[in-house]
Amino acid sequence: DVKVTQSSRYLVKRTGEKVFLECVQDMDHENMFWYRQDPGLGLRLIYFSYDVKMKEKGDIPEGYSVSREKKERFSLILESASTNQTSMYLCASSDINYGYTFGSGTRLTVV
Amino acid sequence: GNSVTQMEGPVTLSEEAFLTINCTYTATGYPSLFWYVQYPGEGLQLLLKATKADDKGSNKGFEATYRKETTSFHLEKGSVQVSDSAVYFCALRIGAGSYQLTFGKGTKLSVIP
Repeated sequence: DVKVTQSSRYLVKRTGEKVFLECVQDMDHENMFWYRQDPGLGLRLIYFSYDVKMKEKGDIPEGYSVSREKKERFSLILESASTNQTSMYLCASSDINYGYTFGSGTRLTVV
Repeated sequence: GNSVTQMEGPVTLSEEAFLTINCTYTATGYPSLFWYVQYPGEGLQLLLKATKADDKGSNKGFEATYRKETTSFHLEKGSVQVSDSAVYFCALRIGAGSYQLTFGKGTKLSVIP
């Protein structure tokens, strides 16, 4: 089975901190995605990547950046965390045949 | 653009009741359609999919039929269980060369004994 692992289930960070959310997949998928999930808003795409060192902005990239130095790892970076970035963050990887496989999510609280 | 509209929840049903969660879509092209399920505290899991008109996806007693004429992909289950309590997301993907999914906002289902 494809596995997508997010490094932390829960994180609490202070306003202004630089925050790294890590995601690793083990099925050699080319495509990886970061979403945030908020009540009433569903899933919103932050960034995605089609290949190593490639990245594309999603619908809400402001305040975020990403890094993909290796195929299996896709990191989401909050340059200066703010309270409105408190959310559930979901990473996914995909190939054309199987849709997306999601990680278990990281619930980030910024205080 | 592409969009997915789901019925708003929450939906509360008694065990063994019939479930329908409506999903309609707008798409430029011929989408593949998906239902994902998110159990409490977990990420999303693929529940079922359909890649062309009139296809029926099914899994774990859930079914959905791709209706091109009504641009719909309604999720149904004949007899729900408490363990089906979760949030359900309808999604679409356009084209064989695209990897991006467009999601609906999700419908929360609670099944009571």
